[in-house]
Amino acid sequence: AQSVTQPDIHITVSEGASLELRCNYSYGATPYLFWYVQSPGQGLQLLLKYFSGDTLVQGIKGFEAEFKRSQSSFNLRKPSVHWSDAAEYFCAVGPILTGGGNKLTFGTGTQLKVEL
Amino acid sequence: NAGVTQTPKFQVLKTGQSMTLQCAQDMNHEYMSWYRQDPGMGLRLIHYSVGAGITDQGEVPNGYNVSRSTTEDFPLRLLSAAPSQTSVYFCASTRQGSGNTIYFGEGSWLTVV
Repeated sequence: AQSVTQPDIHITVSEGASLELRCNYSYGATPYLFWYVQSPGQGLQLLLKYFSGDTLVQGIKGFEAEFKRSQSSFNLRKPSVHWSDAAEYFCAVGPILTGGGNKLTFGTGTQLKVEL
Repeated sequence: NAGVTQTPKFQVLKTGQSMTLQCAQDMNHEYMSWYRQDPGMGLRLIHYSVGAGITDQGEVPNGYNVSRSTTEDFPLRLLSAAPSQTSVYFCASTRQGSGNTIYFGEGSWLTVV
């Protein structure tokens, strides 16, 4: 069975500092990987996705993530955090053969707080 | 192009009542799914469909029914609402195949009292 672990429930960073959110997955084949962001009371916004090719993926809002097959990880990074980045972040994995769109498994989320 | 439309956005139900959460997409997507989101648990898959007439259970299907009579619509039915079904529900759709964008609806906030 596929699973996603986001070990950090809460993270606090200062504005302008760098950010790394951790994501580890368990999956029997090459996964289709996602990072989503959710502001309070809002829906999900896709930050980036990986299914093949370059293992360093660029996303929106200055975010990037690196797929490391040997570590089963897909960590999200941003060089300089802005106060508007405060939100909850979700990592998700799905079956690559079907595009993953019908059977995503989500992590439990990391709540990011940004101190001014 | 409306994308994925969920209705209602907010609903309060009494225990034992039934209701249907509607989900419609206008992108001719084969795949549609329903998720529920609970604090500290992320999103969990309830039911999914790979095309009209084909549905299957996800991780937490108990208490919910679905049907897919058309490509566009994928309603989620709560047969007898329970307080444990208080949650935020998201519908998603995507085209079959790798690398395609997954579109989520804006969510439906359901409270069962």
